[in-house]
Amino acid sequence: EADIYQTPRYLVIGTGKKITLECSQTMGHDKMYWYQQDPGMELHLIHYSYGVNSTEKGDLSSESTVSRIRTEHFPLTLESARPSHTSQYLCASSGIETQYFGPGTRLLVL
Amino acid sequence: GESVGLHLPTLSVQEGDNSIINCAYSNSASDYFIWYKQESGKGPQFIIDIRSNMDKRQGQRVTVLLNKTVKHLSLQIAATQPGDSAVYFCAENIAGGYQKVTFGTGTKLQVIP
Repeated sequence: EADIYQTPRYLVIGTGKKITLECSQTMGHDKMYWYQQDPGMELHLIHYSYGVNSTEKGDLSSESTVSRIRTEHFPLTLESARPSHTSQYLCASSGIETQYFGPGTRLLVL
Repeated sequence: GESVGLHLPTLSVQEGDNSIINCAYSNSASDYFIWYKQESGKGPQFIIDIRSNMDKRQGQRVTVLLNKTVKHLSLQIAATQPGDSAVYFCAENIAGGYQKVTFGTGTKLQVIP
C-alpha cells in the first residue's frame, strides 16, 4: 500500500482566488508528478519533479505552478482560479519506475 | 471546465466471463509496462507490470500479454466480478534519458451482474 496523500479531497472556490493543492508522500521517492483528469477522460501530465529543486512542465500546458523544496512535498498552486481549471488533480510518486497515486483533489471553480 | 482529450472506450462483460482489455503503445524503446485500475472517485492503483524481455506475466486472476512486434499490450481478467468495474490504464516506461511514463487512453470496464 502506497503512502501518498492529497488535501483537500474536494474544493469549491470562486473565480480569482489563489489555491494550493497539497501532496505528500512518505516513501522517500525522488520522482513526483501532477496529472489533470476530467471525468471519464485520459490522464494528462502537467508537472513533474525528479528531486528537490527540480520541476518540469508536463505534456499538457497548465497555468498552475509547482515547487519541490522537500523530498516528501510537492504542492501545486493556481494564482488565480478560473472555471476552466475545474477538474480532478492527481498526484503521484515513484521510486525507480512504478508510479503510486494519491486519491486526487476534485476542484470546482465557480 | 472544458474537457481535454478523448472519451474512454467502454467494454461490457457479463459477471463470471473473462475480460480482455487492449492497449497499443507508441515507443519501441519502452522497456517496462504497467496496468493501473482506477475506480470512480479514486486515484489509479497498480495492478501488474511486465518488462520488455517477457511476453507474459500472471498475477491473481490477471494476466498481462506483451507483443513487441506490433507494440500491443493486453490485460486479461479471469472470472470478472462486479468489483472489477473500473477504468483500466496501461502505461509505458521509456528507457534511457530521464525516464518518462506515458499513460494510454484507458478503457472503462462495466461488469453486468
